[in-house]
Amino acid sequence: QKEVEQNSGPLSVPEGAIASLNCTYSDRGSQSFFWYRQYSGKSPELIMSIYSNGDKEDGRFTAQLNKASQYVSLLIRDSQPSDSATYLCAVIGSGTYKYIFGTGTRLKVLA
Amino acid sequence: EAGVAQSPRYKIIEKRQSVAFWCNPISGHATLYWYQQILGQGPKLLIQFQNNGVVDDSQLPKDRFSAERLKGVDSTLKIQPAKLEDSAVYLCASSNSYSEQYFGPGTRLTVT
Repeated sequence: QKEVEQNSGPLSVPEGAIASLNCTYSDRGSQSFFWYRQYSGKSPELIMSIYSNGDKEDGRFTAQLNKASQYVSLLIRDSQPSDSATYLCAVIGSGTYKYIFGTGTRLKVLA
Repeated sequence: EAGVAQSPRYKIIEKRQSVAFWCNPISGHATLYWYQQILGQGPKLLIQFQNNGVVDDSQLPKDRFSAERLKGVDSTLKIQPAKLEDSAVYLCASSNSYSEQYFGPGTRLTVT
């Protein structure tokens, strides 16, 4: 079992729709969770961090964390073509403080 | 605030040659990471420093890769000798005590 799993996509959504990206993790003791966006040919940039169960909103982005089910999700409201990128989920494992990235989900927002 | 700096941005070498990459983290960030990202995959952690001590290097191919962080600031990652499968983007990131990471622009390495 991979430590951090994401559907590779591509996930295609029409402009203005809600994009829902999901991530599951295997280390039940993980405490810190992050979403990064990576445009083609560029390095990852941080979008959201979440540390406690529930929702965290920042503009058009909402991160959701459910530690009991070991999943974290990212919702993008009013999706724009400029949101087209690969979204990476990252988790800090318990004990080691090691950052573990998923393989990323490629999002395509269709104009 | 200046971001993470990396150099060179691009490098082309032949197999069995050596190469070195340099990273300067965000000022004050104690934690520094080197990642390897192969096309279509997520970043793979090679080595993690806390100040100038190694926290994790379990995925660093130590027979050919080495890294150091002198004085707890700048870091260099070296590959000697390079193999074809080392072709990738090498990313450096820094953070303040295991929180959000900030990435440099990366070095794209092509081994021919």
